[in-house]
Amino acid sequence: QQPVQSPQAVILREGEDAVINCSSSKALYSVHWYRQKHGEAPVFLMILLKGGEQKGHDKISASFNEKKQQSSLYLTASQLSYSGTYFCGTRTSGGSYIPTFGRGTSLIVHP
Amino acid sequence: DTAVSQTPKYLVTQMGNDKSIKCEQNLGHDTMYWYKQDSKKFLKIMFSYNNKELIINETVPNRFSPKSPDKAHLNLHINSLELGDSAVYFCASSSQGGNSPLHFGNGTRLTVT
Repeated sequence: QQPVQSPQAVILREGEDAVINCSSSKALYSVHWYRQKHGEAPVFLMILLKGGEQKGHDKISASFNEKKQQSSLYLTASQLSYSGTYFCGTRTSGGSYIPTFGRGTSLIVHP
Repeated sequence: DTAVSQTPKYLVTQMGNDKSIKCEQNLGHDTMYWYKQDSKKFLKIMFSYNNKELIINETVPNRFSPKSPDKAHLNLHINSLELGDSAVYFCASSSQGGNSPLHFGNGTRLTVT
């Protein structure tokens, strides 16, 4: 079952914050986050495995709300290098081990 | 040292032809995948393969077939190419299980004319 990402697109100025949400209609087992720059391959950011888990590095962090069946990616004080398309990939309880990706959120950071 | 490498990077061919895309990983992973990314950037799983099990997305036409000569390679063969097959195809690998990160190759842009 494909997760739903919102918003579809975000436009920011450097230094602004953004939140990208990923929701599932089924109970989630784990959530992956990836970033893909134009013309490149998706690059792994982080995996959240447990409800309530939060992770982060630099100024990018994520949370996993098992009860709400959703995860959120937080980008703080955005930099130009954050521009790209962000994908969440989810594994649902009782589903296969293969992550199913959402349709992506396009993030553009302007100077 | 490229972790997951795909060849070719670009592939332009005519309808009806048969083509293959090669993928190799040197990460020692035991699970490999093929994803298709369409023009709207939707990343759709096509196949997943480890040394025990091939999982096929039931929506993938049987013109597509994965071939794995060994753990480090998972090639994609496509018969009777159609216009709708035009897309970017990504190979990926991970350690066994879905709680490991996927490492993607750089993609193969297939254009069918």
